[in-house]
Amino acid sequence: NAGVTQTPKFQVLKTGQSMTLQCAQDMNHNSMYWYRQDPGMGLRLIYYSASEGTTDKGEVPNGYNVSRLNKREFSLRLESAAPSQTSVYFCASSDRQGTDTQYFGPGTRLTVL
Amino acid sequence: SQKIEQNSEALNIQEGKTATLTCNYTNYSPAYLQWYRQDPGRGPVFLLLIRENEKEKRKERLKVTFDTTLKQSLFHITASQPADSATYLCALDISGNQFYFGTGTSLTVIP
Repeated sequence: NAGVTQTPKFQVLKTGQSMTLQCAQDMNHNSMYWYRQDPGMGLRLIYYSASEGTTDKGEVPNGYNVSRLNKREFSLRLESAAPSQTSVYFCASSDRQGTDTQYFGPGTRLTVL
Repeated sequence: SQKIEQNSEALNIQEGKTATLTCNYTNYSPAYLQWYRQDPGRGPVFLLLIRENEKEKRKERLKVTFDTTLKQSLFHITASQPADSATYLCALDISGNQFYFGTGTSLTVIP
């Protein structure tokens, strides 16, 4: 099993450009999450999906949209990237609604110029 | 607003000693608390979960305590090894679907 995979690993964007971060898990988990990690700020939840077909905002959703394409895949879209969105983005999944451990992907390092 | 504090950003200890990391929180009563390990350039990896009705949880050289009165969790690594060097994160369950993570403590075990 690959666990949680994320693409791309690295990305550089110019201000105003758009992009989609892809995440997939092969553990048949119901719940999936997107976090961003910034120095001194820790991991902050952007959006989560408790089950296929549902999505909810987390702590810092502004500037992002998500799609739970199916049970395996959960994508994060930046419609108009801003320098403040420079960060490392992690996708995670868990097999129950937040009461179990989260399995994290390797992360995407995004720089917005 | 929810606030989670982990003790000093960096902790250096000698190999063989016990490392103790602290996680303090305010303004919430979580049903459980988790500890994760994160190595540079990688995603966090789950280590231990402790529920509000548990005082202590152990796993090999790891021990976690949870004091809901003090709103504090302590994470201990006994007989520390250089391979234990990493950043350790605590995470609080907020609503069953959301977690708040602390900023982490960077641990360096000196041979």
